[in-house]
Amino acid sequence: DGGITQSPKYLFRKEGQNVTLSCEQNLNHDAMYWYRQDPGQGLRLIYYSQIVNDFQKGDIAEGYSVSREKKESFPLTVTSAQKNPTAFYLCASSRPGGETQYFGPGTRLLVL
Amino acid sequence: LAKTTQPISMDSYEGQEVNITCSHNNIATNDYITWYQQFPSQGPRFIIQGYKTKVTNEVASLFIPADRKSSTLSLPRVSLSDTAVYYCLVVLTSGTYKYIFGTGTRLKVLA
Repeated sequence: DGGITQSPKYLFRKEGQNVTLSCEQNLNHDAMYWYRQDPGQGLRLIYYSQIVNDFQKGDIAEGYSVSREKKESFPLTVTSAQKNPTAFYLCASSRPGGETQYFGPGTRLLVL
Repeated sequence: LAKTTQPISMDSYEGQEVNITCSHNNIATNDYITWYQQFPSQGPRFIIQGYKTKVTNEVASLFIPADRKSSTLSLPRVSLSDTAVYYCLVVLTSGTYKYIFGTGTRLKVLA
């Protein structure tokens, strides 16, 4: 919402497959974030990027990868190394510092 | 490392004021506290933010005592549509930024 789009809304992954979740923002924000949310749980930070061509690991980065080639885009790849990928994935963006983050609508990833 | 603790759930009736507390230790003077509202299968929505004393906007107030070990989100006169999960986010600004979400408080507003 509010200028952040995530696609697809639902994504299915087969065993051993890498999948990429898209996140685009038109808010001209420098910083972008990826969170994972398991059912009934809070948000956990996977990766964040404060500026183009730079990103930092969050608390649960293992099994995930990101890139930040453009200011408006921050795709997340869930690799085959992530053994339990079923979750709701949320992307957010903010001005530098991240005190106020604006979230997208989320992508729900399911494993076949 | 700062941790954030929230009550798991709360019930309230329409028209009442609701106060939800987030306890957080070891936060510095300039560390911000932000509150979000989340409905099922949606992204969290920003409610209010502050780093000291009291902040008020059109939907809520945020109280932060001098010791900064907690913050309280106050929702005046809740309605059924306020039924949601509420999260606090603490942003630690010393050194590498750290973003710590609370575990969330499930608020149920009853008619």
